Amino acid sequence: SVLTQPPSASGTPGQRVTISCSGSSSNIGSSNVYWYQQYPGMAPRLLIYMNDRRPSGIPDRFSGSKSGASASLAISGLRSEDEADYYCATWDDSLKVFGGGTKVTVL
Amino acid sequence: EVQLVQSGAEVKKPGESLKISCTASGYQFSGYWIAWVRQMPGQGLEWMGRFFPSNSQTQYSPAFQGQVTLSADNSINTAYLQWSALKASDTAMYYCARLSGICPNNVCSISTHWFDPWGQGTQVTVSS
Repeated sequence: SVLTQPPSASGTPGQRVTISCSGSSSNIGSSNVYWYQQYPGMAPRLLIYMNDRRPSGIPDRFSGSKSGASASLAISGLRSEDEADYYCATWDDSLKVFGGGTKVTVL
Repeated sequence: EVQLVQSGAEVKKPGESLKISCTASGYQFSGYWIAWVRQMPGQGLEWMGRFFPSNSQTQYSPAFQGQVTLSADNSINTAYLQWSALKASDTAMYYCARLSGICPNNVCSISTHWFDPWGQGTQVTVSS
């Protein structure tokens, strides 16, 4: 994948988990970052848009940030329902690129 | 409510053609790009391309250029993804999604657009 994410992350309920997303100057470095959440067998859904904005209905436990050519998603107060796959995405010369995805496990 | 509903699962043989659909409701269909995303079994998301129903403008990911065709029928608010000759490696879940976004200071950039909502997905299985 054009964007690099760790394949997995885990935490116990209540903990804070952070997922990194690394790109380059041609993608993350010059565009906004988006995060999508996907449960097994379900379609992805928008979690964070334009680096750090939450759509209505997304809990404030989810937060995004971007610095240079990297971005991160933080989940604070981890809950069992947060167990899912998380994908970062951005634009690279008008082409959409995704990270490989990070599977979050709640221990 | 803005909604995208995709056609049902398909089982095809290698070499066959296929056209799957994505029907929109709750908004002006012709005014928004529709994107298509592939997810192979156990794998991540891959952007295939996008189609603008208003003027049929199309952009394909280099990986899918020449492999698939995007189109739409504005009269029934439906976007299509089609193959002329399927391969076993086309076996995957395919999602459509609307490009939503904002234009800060009335300047529109692809950078301020995202995929929302998504269709429920169409499973395509190609096997002899």
